[in-house]
Amino acid sequence: SAVISQKPSRDICQRGTSLTIQCQVDSQVTMMFWYRQQPGQSLTLIATANQGSEATYESGFVIDKFPISRPNLTFSTLTVSNMSPEDSSIYLCSVGDSSYEQYFGPGTRLTVT
Amino acid sequence: EDQVTQSPEALRLQEGESSSLNCSYTVSGLRGLFWYRQDPGKGPEFLFTLYSAGEEKEKERLKATLTKKESFLHITAPKPEDSATYLCAVHTANDYKLSFGAGTTVTVRA
Repeated sequence: SAVISQKPSRDICQRGTSLTIQCQVDSQVTMMFWYRQQPGQSLTLIATANQGSEATYESGFVIDKFPISRPNLTFSTLTVSNMSPEDSSIYLCSVGDSSYEQYFGPGTRLTVT
Repeated sequence: EDQVTQSPEALRLQEGESSSLNCSYTVSGLRGLFWYRQDPGKGPEFLFTLYSAGEEKEKERLKATLTKKESFLHITAPKPEDSATYLCAVHTANDYKLSFGAGTTVTVRA
């Protein structure tokens, strides 16, 4: 399976600011996803990062709040904009293969104060 | 709407005490059911994929089974290093997305 890295691994941010999270994969992948995991909760899909086109967002998530870039088949970024304490979560990227299995990065732990 | 329910929420076991975790699902057109292990502060680690009723997969002390309505993750003679949250997810015929259950947190005491 692919090796996935995320930067930063954790951050503490002030409310009203923005943070960009990077996801790097060691091989080309077609499917790339961004999830949020709020404290004590399971994973919620934010969006699918599409290479060369706009991301596909899930209900409850909007591009203005969570802009996503996917410039190539090995890299994606998720920005959390105008942050509030409610955005404190672990943000995870994952990659999918043809068997629909998904493999996850180590996550970015975000705390908003 | 697809639903994935895991039980129990938490499970405390003595080392060597075998047990099972349950994942029940209500989906239209199951394409695959996935089990993950998640350690605190880390991303989920892929364990198994099950595609059809009757299928079984094993890895060390873990064994996953699938019926038409639920999946079980059996932990045989667990060790403290098996302590983690175990997540179940389903993929349906509608699209490529995974829907996750809330997870079962397993604690194994020495």
